[in-house]
This record gives sequence, C-alpha cells and structure tokens, in this order.
Amino acid sequence: DIQMTQSPSSLSASVGDRVTITCRASQSIGSHLNWYQQKPGKAPKLLIYGASNLLTGVPSRFSGRASGTDFTLIISSLQAEDFATYYCQQSYNTPLTFGPGTKVDVK
Amino acid sequence: EVQLVESGGGLVQPGGSLRLSCAASGFTFSSYWMSWVRQAPGKGLEWVANIKQDGSEKYYVDSVKGRFTISRDNAKNSLYLQMNSLRAEDTAVYYCASLLGIAAAGYFDYWGQGTLVTVSS
Repeated sequence: DIQMTQSPSSLSASVGDRVTITCRASQSIGSHLNWYQQKPGKAPKLLIYGASNLLTGVPSRFSGRASGTDFTLIISSLQAEDFATYYCQQSYNTPLTFGPGTKVDVK
Repeated sequence: EVQLVESGGGLVQPGGSLRLSCAASGFTFSSYWMSWVRQAPGKGLEWVANIKQDGSEKYYVDSVKGRFTISRDNAKNSLYLQMNSLRAEDTAVYYCASLLGIAAAGYFDYWGQGTLVTVSS
C-alpha cells in the first residue's frame, strides 16, 4: 500500500499569510495526487487534482506543485474562509490512501 | 446541481449489520465509478470501497473485506453499503462520493453530507 505523510500536522497563521503544506508519498505516484479541504462537521471538498489542476471554482490563491514523491499545496494569501483541515490523497492505485491531514488555524 | 444524500446510519451492537444508502441526482449516475469513504470521530479520511459503473468490479480496503459489500442500482440512481460483523473500529461518518480518474483509482469530486455509524453495546 502507498503511505501518505503530511507536514506539518497543524499550523497557525494569519489572514494574508502564505501557507505551504507538504505531502509525501512512500513510492512514485507520478502526478496522481489530489488535495481536499474539510471544515468541521462538513464533507471534504476537492480543491486540486492531478497534483496541480485547480478544480473549477476554486480560488486561484490555491495552487499545487509536484517534485518527485513530494507534493505541495500553497495558499498564496490566506483568507478567513481557508481555516480548515487539508488532506492529500493518492489516486495512483488501490487502496486509495489519504494523508493524515494538516489543520490550519488562527494564530 | 449534483446531490449525494446518504441514509441508514445509526447505533448498532458489535457483530450487527447495517445497510447504508446513497441517493444520487444532478448527474449521470450510471456513468461514474462510486465510492464510500469514512472518517472516525476526530480522525482522518479512509477510503472504504469502490464500484464500477456497471457493478462488475468492486474494490475494498483490507479491513472491511469479507464483511462489507458495495453495490448499486443504476435504475434508482442509488449506491449501497451492506455492513456485516460490525466492530467498534467501524464507528465513523460514512460518505458517499463520486470517483473520477483511471478505473478504480481516482479522486473524489462530489461528496454527500455523510451518515454516522456507531458500533457500541
């Protein structure tokens, strides 16, 4: 099974900050990496698929990058509505696996 | 508007059974792989099972193999999860989600609101 790790597990930030979240796969997965945002009590929402493709309707302050087995989610200027938990997920093969999540909260 | 609405969750004793349903609307249900994803209280996301458009292929996470069965009825635009021999560790919110990608491996583009399953005596 492909293991996904994320760092940091949590971070505190302020509105306007640039936020970077890293996800690492235990083996090569090409660009088969996706990012989700989840707010308390709500279902996750897809933000980015294929490592760097922004879902239609997702603000352009979100972006994704890939480098080997390392993937990065960047929020260029954090907004109030972005405080949430972010998960990466590999779609290279089954079992589909998620990272443990990164919680972004208010500094 | 795409809608996925889960139902069937509740409290069940260890060893018991439960059947979850997911009603889909707003998209061509029969054209999509579908999935169940769960989230234990305060924990992360765990993929549970996938099913192909025509139901001919099904995939499960190891921890539920032999106990859970995913199925679908395209005429009713519905997805199901039959859960038998339930354990305390199956306690979670169960989400229905549509899957896009290459065959059984993909990403979850639409999600339901979830239904809570609690396994406890």
